[in-house]
Amino acid sequence: AQSVTQLDSHVSVSEGTPVLLRCNYSSSYSPSLFWYVQHPNKGLQLLLKYTSAATLVKGINGFEAEFKKSETSFHLTKPSAHMSDAAEYFCVVSDLNSGTYKYIFGTGTRLKVLA
Amino acid sequence: EAQVTQNPRYLITVTGKKLTVTCSQNMNHEYMSWYRQDPGLGLRQIYYSMNVEVTDKGDVPEGYKVSRKEKRNFPLILESPSPNQTSLYFCASRSQGLAIYEQYFGPGTRLTVT
Repeated sequence: AQSVTQLDSHVSVSEGTPVLLRCNYSSSYSPSLFWYVQHPNKGLQLLLKYTSAATLVKGINGFEAEFKKSETSFHLTKPSAHMSDAAEYFCVVSDLNSGTYKYIFGTGTRLKVLA
Repeated sequence: EAQVTQNPRYLITVTGKKLTVTCSQNMNHEYMSWYRQDPGLGLRQIYYSMNVEVTDKGDVPEGYKVSRKEKRNFPLILESPSPNQTSLYFCASRSQGLAIYEQYFGPGTRLTVT
């Protein structure tokens, strides 16, 4: 069965410093992986997705993630944090090849950006 | 504008009073789904539908019903709400096409059951 683990429930960074949000997945088949962001009192917005093309995926707002099959990881990074990045981030695995079409969400990482 | 809409956005109700949360999408998507979001648990799938008249249980279906009579609509029904169904609910939709995996989410419905 597929699953996803977000290794940190809270991350704090100073404005202008790098961001690293960690995600490990488990999947029996070739996975599709996503990062979504949820700003306070808002819905979910797609940041980026990996669907077996390039392993380094670029998303919106300067975020990127690298798919590492050997490490079963899909960590989210950004070179320089901005105050507007403060939000909750969800890593998601979708195992379409198994025929279930289900999204499995991580428990979320709340990013705090300090001035 | 392509979007998923949900109504109401906020709802306070009492135990046992039936309610329906509506969900509609204008992208002609085959797949639709309902999730609930609880602190520390992420989003968990309640029910999903792969097309009209085709629905199936997700991970936490107890206490919920759904129907899919039209492609664009996927209402969530709580026939006898209980306080443990107090949560933030999201509807989502996606094309079934293999090249497109992204789900589009509605703005959420915050439900409080007293």
